[in-house]
Amino acid sequence: DVVMTQSPLSLPVTLGQPASISCRSSQSLVHSDGNTYLSWFQQRPGQSPRRLIYRVSNRGSGVPDRFSGSGSGTDFTLEISRLEAEDVGVYYCMQGTHWPYTFGQGTKLEIK
Amino acid sequence: EVQLVESGGGLVQPGGSLRLSCAASGFTFSSYSLGWARQAPGKGLEWVSAISSGGDTYYADSVKGRFTISRDNSRSTLYLQMNSLRAEDTAIYLCAKGGAAGVREADYWGQGTLVTASS
Repeated sequence: DVVMTQSPLSLPVTLGQPASISCRSSQSLVHSDGNTYLSWFQQRPGQSPRRLIYRVSNRGSGVPDRFSGSGSGTDFTLEISRLEAEDVGVYYCMQGTHWPYTFGQGTKLEIK
Repeated sequence: EVQLVESGGGLVQPGGSLRLSCAASGFTFSSYSLGWARQAPGKGLEWVSAISSGGDTYYADSVKGRFTISRDNSRSTLYLQMNSLRAEDTAIYLCAKGGAAGVREADYWGQGTLVTASS
């Protein structure tokens, strides 16, 4: 299975400051159809996952533009330009290129 | 508005069976892939199974031969039949709707139903 490794696992950030989460895969996520199926999800306490980003850099429906995704091949990044209180939660990357699709361990984002 | 509502979880003895359901609304159910993932208490997410709009099925090795995914398009409902349950199957089970390219880019998730396999 493809192993997804996130860092850091805990991220304290001051309100209004930027945040960045890294995700690395154990093999390339470029699919035979040419797409790279790397998504980012936010899970607030007690809630189900919410898709933020799909195919590396596409924002999901209703996702604020302070969230952005980048990367290629095996290295990917989620960035939040200015942290807001509602952004607290656990963030997961997920690869959808190789079945079984796999998630990173999660990064807990909290207010410093 | 897309809604996915899971049900059917509960406490079961190891070796027992459960059938989970996921009632969907707010989209054309028959046109989309769907799947089940699970989250053990305090742990991360793990894909369990998926089914395409055409009925092709996929399973994680950890559940292959024990779990069966199915869908009833007339009822807009997704199912997961779980047999020979083990303690390590204890988790919240969430259903997910596939995006344009299937569950490889799942776009909506339910709240989940808790399955506890314990004596």
